Amino acid sequence: ETGVTQTPRHLVMGMTNKKSLKCEQHLGHNAMYWYKQSAKKPLELMFVYNFKEQTENNSVPSRFSPECPNSSHLFLHLHTLQPEDSALYLCASSLDRGQSGELFFGEGSRLTVL
Amino acid sequence: QKEVEQNSGPLSVPEGAIASLNCTYSDRGSQSFFWYRQYSGKSPELIMSIYSNGDKEDGRFTAQLNKASQYVSLLIRDSQPSDSATYLCAVNRGSTLGRLYFGRGTQLTVWP
Repeated sequence: ETGVTQTPRHLVMGMTNKKSLKCEQHLGHNAMYWYKQSAKKPLELMFVYNFKEQTENNSVPSRFSPECPNSSHLFLHLHTLQPEDSALYLCASSLDRGQSGELFFGEGSRLTVL
Repeated sequence: QKEVEQNSGPLSVPEGAIASLNCTYSDRGSQSFFWYRQYSGKSPELIMSIYSNGDKEDGRFTAQLNKASQYVSLLIRDSQPSDSATYLCAVNRGSTLGRLYFGRGTQLTVWP
C-alpha cells in the first residue's frame, strides 16, 4: 500500500456542488497537510494538522473546510467553489510538525470547477 | 519579494553532464532547506535536505548551502534522462514552526 493515498484522483464539480477530498496515510505520521498546486505558482500551504489538531490555516477561504478525525485521515470539504479554485490539491504527511520539511505527498486530487 | 526564487527554466543538459539548479531565499533566519523532485503528472518527492553551510552529497546529487548569500543549489552529476523533472526548492523559515515555503520549480530536461 502506498504511503499517502488520495481520493478521488480527479474531480469535476459545478460552483454549487458540495464534494470532499480524502487523504489517508499509512506511515504512522502525526502531522498532515493540505497544499494547493496551481500552474505557474509555488505550492501553497493551506492547512496543517498535528496530532489531529489544526495548527495552521493559511488564510484559506471558508469554502474550503478541513477535517481531521484522526492522525491517519484528512478530508477537505468543498462547497460553492470558484473556477479559480481549479488546481491540484496535494495531501502530505510528516512524522510531526517539527519535521515539516520532510513531507510525503499523495498523488493529488485534480479539481476542475466549472 | 518572493520567499523562495528559482529560475523556472527550462534547463536542458545532455546525458552525462552536470545539471546545476539554483535557489535563493529572502528570510535570513531560514534554517532548513530541501529539494523535491516532481515528475510530470506526479507528486513531489523529497530527494535532499540540508541544514548547515557547505556541501551534502548523496549519490549523484549534491546540495550546497551558503547562508551568508542566502543561496541553495542542487548539482546532479552524470545526468540521466530519468532525471528529467521539475525540481522544487523549499525553505523552512523556522520562525513559524512547520511553515515550508516552496519555489516555483525549475524544469530540467536531460537529453540522450
